[in-house]
Amino acid sequence: GNSVTQMEGPVTLSEEAFLTINCTYTATGYPSLFWYVQYPGEGLQLLLKATKADDKGSNKGFEATYRKETTSFHLEKGSVQVSDSAVYFCALSEKSSASKIIFGSGTRLSIRP
Amino acid sequence: EPEVTQTPSHQVTQMGQEVILRCVPISNHLYFYWYRQILGQKVEFLVSFYNNEISEKSEIFDDQFSVERPDGSNFTLKIRSTKLEDSAMYFCASSEGRGSGNTIYFGEGSWLTVV
Repeated sequence: GNSVTQMEGPVTLSEEAFLTINCTYTATGYPSLFWYVQYPGEGLQLLLKATKADDKGSNKGFEATYRKETTSFHLEKGSVQVSDSAVYFCALSEKSSASKIIFGSGTRLSIRP
Repeated sequence: EPEVTQTPSHQVTQMGQEVILRCVPISNHLYFYWYRQILGQKVEFLVSFYNNEISEKSEIFDDQFSVERPDGSNFTLKIRSTKLEDSAMYFCASSEGRGSGNTIYFGEGSWLTVV
């Protein structure tokens, strides 16, 4: 079945450090890929998405590129801020069932000032 | 920015009691969803709803669960007889359309504790 695997946390970085959170997926067909973020005390927010191979999603300085050959969608940011501290979820949806998003287990990110 | 709102934010209930979690989706959205996240585990799909009927459900969504759109603005999840393992954060979500081109917007969640 379809699944998403992302690196386990927690991840702790200093402010202005480079961030990578790895995500790989297993899916039949050509899924759409997402990163959601959950800030403390808030709901899930869509951070970025990519709907086909080689697409790059970007938002708030974060980027992720849909790599079909490695079935990956790694999240990167060049210089993190304290306000980026949150839980990040990689996710996919099959185009045939776009109501059903399959989430990874989440990676907690903490940024030290 | 329009948002999905959920009530209550936290509810404690005794095992065997019925619980109704309420959601107000974004006003022009047509597709509605419930997801849940047991503490420390993944966010899991429960059900999707369109045109006053369930369009898809997971194996988690058994006979003790039901959903309803009782009026033009609310969307509810009912758990008929709660079990300890129903303790989780329940997220309501909505989208304008169906398909990966449509963004699914999530609420802040309702934390249910069954004791």
